[in-house]
Amino acid sequence: QVQLKESGPGLVQPSQTLSLTCTVSGFSLTSYNVHWVRQPTGKGLEWMGVIWTGGSTDYNSALKSRLSISRDTSKSQVFLKMNSLQTEDIATYYCAREVPGKDYFDYWGQGVMVTVSS
Amino acid sequence: DIQMTQSPASLSASLGETVTIQCQASEDIYSGLAWYQQKPGKSPQLLIYGASSLQDGVPSRFSGSGSGTQYSLKISSMQTEDEGVYFCQQGLKYPLTFGSGTKLEIK
Repeated sequence: QVQLKESGPGLVQPSQTLSLTCTVSGFSLTSYNVHWVRQPTGKGLEWMGVIWTGGSTDYNSALKSRLSISRDTSKSQVFLKMNSLQTEDIATYYCAREVPGKDYFDYWGQGVMVTVSS
Repeated sequence: DIQMTQSPASLSASLGETVTIQCQASEDIYSGLAWYQQKPGKSPQLLIYGASSLQDGVPSRFSGSGSGTQYSLKISSMQTEDEGVYFCQQGLKYPLTFGSGTKLEIK
């Protein structure tokens, strides 16, 4: 069945780089776009970026200077890297599969909580 | 960016009551709207896409409607398992944007 699972450190020091991995199963990264969405605790959802089936990416302009999304199709993994982390980046980070061609998300990972603190 | 404004921010409903949540876009999104339900500690779950299409497996008491800039989600008979936070999301333009959420509780 379709699954997405985020992994990565739960604690990042200020000004350091966040590195997360989304491991997917039940579908191919060359057939489905995968997005990253984050949610500060108790708040709303913010779209961060997407890696398209062809491997190109698009980012939220608010994060574009700090954000990088890549993948390893052989391992069914999507990677998120974001540098210069600050306290406003404290959030749960989700990867999500896009409904083909529809820009909605039919499957989400369970999320990974990231705290920024020294 | 397209701004999504949800209302109300919170509401409580009795079992069996009909509930309606509103979502307004800052420009016409041509029915490019989805609704999600999020329960505490869980990831969002897709309920409605294309403004009115029910996602597979979602109970038929959920329905979506609207056009242009105004959309709504209706729960025809509130159940205890419907408690949670509901978000709308526009899928017309990037960056994809979400409403701020509506917290729904049992009265």
